[in-house]
Amino acid sequence: DTAVSQTPKYLVTQMGNDKSIKCEQNLGHDTMYWYKQDSKKFLKIMFSYNNKELIINETVPNRFSPKSPDKAHLNLHINSLELGDSAVYFCASSQDRGTRFIQYFGAGTRLSVL
Amino acid sequence: GDSVTQMEGPVTLSEEAFLTINCTYTATGYPSLFWYVQYPGEGLQLLLKATKADDKGSNKGFEATYRKETTSFHLEKGSVQVSDSAVYFCALTRNSGNTPLVFGKGTRLSVIA
Repeated sequence: DTAVSQTPKYLVTQMGNDKSIKCEQNLGHDTMYWYKQDSKKFLKIMFSYNNKELIINETVPNRFSPKSPDKAHLNLHINSLELGDSAVYFCASSQDRGTRFIQYFGAGTRLSVL
Repeated sequence: GDSVTQMEGPVTLSEEAFLTINCTYTATGYPSLFWYVQYPGEGLQLLLKATKADDKGSNKGFEATYRKETTSFHLEKGSVQVSDSAVYFCALTRNSGNTPLVFGKGTRLSVIA
């Protein structure tokens, strides 16, 4: 069983389109995250949700809108895609107790905007 | 703000060579420190961690010791294998709830037979 799963794994689209990436975790964790990895492999936090509530929103364009329908899911919707949005997006989750501070990552979604 | 600095890559080693990847950090308080590994085409996997000063994290032959006095968490392995070829990320998080990870820029390791 995959602990943190993201779909799709690859996403190729045209500039100006709207797309979504889905993330689900079956670990029972309270907190979920979206990270962006750029072409130089640099990873940076975008958003963090705890029990469906947004707790961190870094300086990300408002074309990016995370949505958490329940604490096991955190989806990322991107409007009006731009060339610079091309990157690998990673979802992660962690728990407040026990194995706290350890984040478990999905396999990533490689977004290519043409 | 918090930051992590790790040595620039790429690093190319022969099989069975000794590996060191340097990592230093800047943070308020006492963060938890991690090494994550990303194999080609895959997501990030936790390699090892240390949550307080002088802790040593170890896994799969890799080790790193949390050195508060030098704010460092260098990754070492005595004898690398071809299968260790990957990108290695040093990271920290504050010990206060589920705060996000702050990553270094990653170091690509290539091990040749």
